Amino acid sequence: IQLTQSPSSLSASVGDRVNITCRATRDISTLLAWYQLKSGKAPKVLIYAASTLQSGVPSRFSGSGSGTDFTLTISSLQPEDFATYYCQYLNSYPRTFGGGTKVEIK
Amino acid sequence: QVQLQQSGPGLVKPSETLSLTCNVSGVSINTYYWSWIRQTPGKGLEWIGNIYHSGSTTYNPSLQSRVTMSVDTSKNQFSLNLSSVTAADTAVYYCARDYSGGRGYYFFDHWGQGTLVTVSS
Repeated sequence: IQLTQSPSSLSASVGDRVNITCRATRDISTLLAWYQLKSGKAPKVLIYAASTLQSGVPSRFSGSGSGTDFTLTISSLQPEDFATYYCQYLNSYPRTFGGGTKVEIK
Repeated sequence: QVQLQQSGPGLVKPSETLSLTCNVSGVSINTYYWSWIRQTPGKGLEWIGNIYHSGSTTYNPSLQSRVTMSVDTSKNQFSLNLSSVTAADTAVYYCARDYSGGRGYYFFDHWGQGTLVTVSS
């Protein structure tokens, strides 16, 4: 299974609604997680099982989708959200990630 | 709380072996799987492999011939060795916990801070 994220990068302003998509090459049910990576910091899991918010993650983050198409939504982008985001298929060896989406300041 | 603290050199010469250690605190290393993951500018995140407290390992086939992982339960830490490195192995390396919670699938719920390893002479 391969995961394709789009876009690979985007520019947005504080307060914007941001959508990042992840498409799988075959049906993976809801076996998907989303991560946030920032330089110099430990990465964070945001969402697992496609739509379950990890404890401690702000509610402006949400995940949706099942089957082959998934979306990570940031409802109102905050300054601390500028980062790179990755999706991951949860039930495979080798563990598989999408190519990443870099969210930059407009 | 669970913390993963990485250690190891940031510069490795070509053809030599990259060695990193991840010290786990706040939870016993027993019971869980523990992974190494790297991030390169060109390829994004790449899972290297994982190890169980028993010493059982699973490696990414793309790196299997060069990877060795070990665990020291007495020190609550696990390690990565990657041999015969080239410039293509330059990356930020992370350790992480594979977490299931009995759900039948795994995600990485705790990560180390990352170590930038540059392969250069």
